[in-house]
Amino acid sequence: EDQVTQSPEALRLQEGESSSLNCSYTVSGLRGLFWYRQDPGKGPEFLFTLYSAGEEKEKERLKATLTKKESFLHITAPKPEDSATYLCAVQAVMGGGADGLTFGKGTHLIIQP
Amino acid sequence: GAGVSQSPSNKVTEKGKDVELRCDPISGHTALYWYRQSLGQGLEFLIYFQGNSAPDKSGLPSDRFSAERTGGSVSTLTIQRTQQEDSAVYLCASSTAGLAPEQFFGPGTRLTVL
Repeated sequence: EDQVTQSPEALRLQEGESSSLNCSYTVSGLRGLFWYRQDPGKGPEFLFTLYSAGEEKEKERLKATLTKKESFLHITAPKPEDSATYLCAVQAVMGGGADGLTFGKGTHLIIQP
Repeated sequence: GAGVSQSPSNKVTEKGKDVELRCDPISGHTALYWYRQSLGQGLEFLIYFQGNSAPDKSGLPSDRFSAERTGGSVSTLTIQRTQQEDSAVYLCASSTAGLAPEQFFGPGTRLTVL
């Protein structure tokens, strides 16, 4: 069974204080690992897809990296508007529900001014 | 362009009643997904449609849940004889075909079963 575990559950940072969010996963065969951002009362907003170990992607203050067992979302010099819940999900190569994503429970990030 | 839209945004119903939730995917997207997000839980995959192929229903929690997609576009998720544990936010997503395409989510329908 595919599993995704995110840590920490919640993180409070000062504006400008860089940190990393962790996503550990087990999957029968990885087709893709996804990062989403979710604001209260809204649907998840796509950030990145990573396909293979060693891959990295960047967008503004965010950088996502991938190994064979985990992914990190690095946040550099965050601003209050980066406050949100960050979700990690995997898509497996095959198996029941393979085309659906398996999500972690998310990391609730608060950036204090 | 227009994103994924869902209606209604909120639905309050009584236990035992049937409900229908609607999803309009992004134009041109052949794949459509339904997920459920319960308080304190992660998003849970429910069902997947790809073009005219038979849907993948492997995530549906019980036979009270069903979904259809008409004309390869709009989809309706139906929950029969609702129970209080069905209370959740129901999210729809759509994507293009491909190996691992990004899924674009709608704003969700918040269902409350009294």
